[in-house]
Amino acid sequence: TQLLEQSPQFLSIQEGENLTVYCNSSSVFSSLQWYRQEPGEGPVLLVTVVTGGEVKKLKRLTFQFGDARKDSSLHITAAQPGDTGLYLCAGAQRRNFNKFYFGSGTKLNVKP
Amino acid sequence: NAGVTQTPKFQVLKTGQSMTLQCAQDMNHEYMSWYRQDPGMGLRLIHYSVGAGITDQGEVPNGYNVSRSTTEDFPLRLLSAAPSQTSVYFCASRSPTGNTGELFFGEGSRLTVL
Repeated sequence: TQLLEQSPQFLSIQEGENLTVYCNSSSVFSSLQWYRQEPGEGPVLLVTVVTGGEVKKLKRLTFQFGDARKDSSLHITAAQPGDTGLYLCAGAQRRNFNKFYFGSGTKLNVKP
Repeated sequence: NAGVTQTPKFQVLKTGQSMTLQCAQDMNHEYMSWYRQDPGMGLRLIHYSVGAGITDQGEVPNGYNVSRSTTEDFPLRLLSAAPSQTSVYFCASRSPTGNTGELFFGEGSRLTVL
């Protein structure tokens, strides 16, 4: 059982559609990060959220940290083929900032 | 702009063989870590280090050894490879901003154990 559960595991949509990816846990996290990974490469950081209820926007991507700091979501508006990739959430807990736990990932495919 | 460099990129081992995955970073980060990535499992932390001479276990440390003699290098050793260690391995360093620091990843090392 993983500390961070992501859903859905796979998502295949048409260009222009909106989508939301969820990252949930029964534990509290001091911060949550979202990474994007392309085939053959390492993950790259998209955003970090640290305050419960925090919302951050990165162009067409909107990230939200739950009020209780146990969950987060990533919403993409008008998805484009360039958004295709594996999206991973990751978090650190207050008891040990040095252990970053990753979710299982959401594989997004945006078709032209 | 090297960042985090991993070698080798690909390796095939037979059960029982040993090998070392190399990781080097040029960003002067104190924190370095090793993850393995398996289908449907995301990334799982193997070992991490908060500075030269200091290492600690992550979620899945069994079968792996690490040491940290310099700030730049953090090698991962498999002493007796098993098929269950077939995976893609990522090394990452972290910028020094506590729990919000960004992880910088290498390109990965794909290991197959027969």
